[in-house]
Formats: sequence, structure tokens, C-alpha cells
Amino acid sequence: RKEVEQDPGPFNVPEGATVAFNCTYSNSASQSFFWYRQDCRKEPKLLMSVYSSGNEDGRFTAQLNRASQYISLLIRDSKLSDSATYLCVVNINAGGTSYGKLTFGQGTILTVHP
Amino acid sequence: DAGITQSPRHKVTETGTPVTLRCHQTENHRYMYWYRQDPGHGLRLIHYSYGVKDTDKGEVSDGYSVSRSKTEDFLLTLESATSSQTSVYFCAISAAGGPGDTQYFGPGTRLTVL
Repeated sequence: RKEVEQDPGPFNVPEGATVAFNCTYSNSASQSFFWYRQDCRKEPKLLMSVYSSGNEDGRFTAQLNRASQYISLLIRDSKLSDSATYLCVVNINAGGTSYGKLTFGQGTILTVHP
Repeated sequence: DAGITQSPRHKVTETGTPVTLRCHQTENHRYMYWYRQDPGHGLRLIHYSYGVKDTDKGEVSDGYSVSRSKTEDFLLTLESATSSQTSVYFCAISAAGGPGDTQYFGPGTRLTVL
């Protein structure tokens, strides 16, 4: 079983739609959680961190459920510019210092069409 | 954008030849990482560094070595390139290497081994 699993999609949605991505992680020692965004043939960039209480940044809402080891990202009012691959990312610190090492999911592809 | 450059950006080489990829940062960050990205696998950590001359292996380190003689430079060497090492290689940096720290990625190097 992969440590971080995502539905690869692709998700094809019209502009203005609401879309949700899910991610599960297998290691209960995971400490920190992130969503990164990667445009085609570009480097990943941090979209947002995910906090236990849930957090929102404009049209984006991230949630964490530690009991179920589940992370989600909700995008409201989708824009054409939201088209990208969304990476679920986890920092696993199993008892020692993790040196910031991250484990990535495979990514979920989103295409927003007019 | 974080000051991270990678060189070369593209390289085609033949099986059995040594290859060195360079990551250069101007942020004076202590932590540096090398990842590879392949379809179906997402980003996987190859090696990382937590200081000058301090390096350690990641998830997929076989066939790779690294060196860090200066804070700003982190070199990845393929001792004898194989076709399975055809990939996109990303370098990343982090200020403190803590579990919640953001990693900033370089633009990537696209390597083809024939």
C-alpha cells in the first residue's frame, strides 16, 4: 500500500463548479500535511498547509481527519487557471527528526473548461 | 520565487556514462533535497542534505550519490546512468527542515538516458 494515495482523476469540470479531492495516508505518525499544485512541466508549488481544525484560503478549503487518516481539498467557483495537478503531501516523523522529508501522492489532475 | 536554479535543464546521455546535476540556491537555506518524478510514482526522495557535508539517503538512492561542499550547492551524480534513471529531477530547499516547513522547488532537470 502506498503511503499517500490520491485518486489520479482526471477531473474535468466547468468553470464555476465546486470540486473536491481526497487523499489518504497510511502512517499514523504523520505530522504535517500540505497540498501542492503543479502545472504542466513545471515545479510543484505550495498551495496550502492543512491544519487539524481545517483551513481556508479564498476559494480553497483544506480539511484533515486524523482518525480516518484522510485529507481533502475543496475548490469552489473553479477558474480556468485552476487547471493543474494537485499533490497531497505528508511529512512523516516516526519517532525521530524527519529533516523535513516529504512523501508525495501521485497527484490528481484537474481540468477546468469554459 | 525562491532563488533556486538547476543545471542543466535538459540532458540526453548514453547508458553507462556519469552524469552530474547541479542545484544552486541563493536563500542560504540549510536543507536541500533531490527528488525524481515519474509517471505513476509521483515525486520520490533520492537524497537530502541537512548541512554542508551532511547528507543522507532517501527512498530511491540506489545508483545515485550526492555532495554538498557549500551551503548553496547540492550536486546529484549518477555514477553510471541507466535507462531506468530517465526522469525529471527536482531539487528543493527548506529553511529549517522542520515538519511544518515549506519546501521550495527548483525548475527541474529533464534527463533522458538512451
